[in-house]
Amino acid sequence: ETGVTQSPTHLIKTRGQQVTLRCSSQSGHNTVSWYQQALGQGPQFIFQYYREEENGRGNFPPRFSGLQFPNYSSELNVNALELDDSALYLCASSWGGTGAGGRNEQFFGPGTRLTVL
Amino acid sequence: AQSVTQPDIHITVSEGASLELRCNYSYGATPYLFWYVQSPGQGLQLLLKYFSGDTLVQGIKGFEAEFKRSQSSFNLRKPSVHWSDAAEYFCAVVSTDSWGKLQFGAGTQVVVTP
Repeated sequence: ETGVTQSPTHLIKTRGQQVTLRCSSQSGHNTVSWYQQALGQGPQFIFQYYREEENGRGNFPPRFSGLQFPNYSSELNVNALELDDSALYLCASSWGGTGAGGRNEQFFGPGTRLTVL
Repeated sequence: AQSVTQPDIHITVSEGASLELRCNYSYGATPYLFWYVQSPGQGLQLLLKYFSGDTLVQGIKGFEAEFKRSQSSFNLRKPSVHWSDAAEYFCAVVSTDSWGKLQFGAGTQVVVTP
């Protein structure tokens, strides 16, 4: 069984650019959640995708967007990068979506470290 | 507002000594409660979780946590730490009426000395 994978591992961008981060969910999982972890802080929820639809969103501006594909892999896109977007971006997969009510364990990938200069 | 608080930013403990990490939450109802560990360069690994029932829960790697409703706390403990327990530990909650949005505390960095 393959765990959650993320690519790339590290990324350096400049302000104003756009970035796409990728996540492959664990086999059998249909839900993907994205989190932003700034240095020295806990992860902050960005949004969740369930069966290719956005299932909930945290306090992030619209320039943070996502996709989920039929194989349940996912992308996180960030437009007009700002310095404060520098962080570790974590993807987590789980099974269930809305019906699970939050009980199903979320399995995290190793993250993508984004640096914005 | 809903919140998760980990009062200790940093804890240093000797190998073989006991460890307790504190977590307090502020929610309208008892949420689902979790403890995660993050080692350098790694993602988050679930140590244990509490949904309901027995207030003392056992997890992996010899960790346990106790839920105390009266104190809105969910403290993590380990009787005897190993050098490999050096990591960052996060308490997290999910509202029972939500769809799995984890809200994390700021984390506690654990350093283990010989």
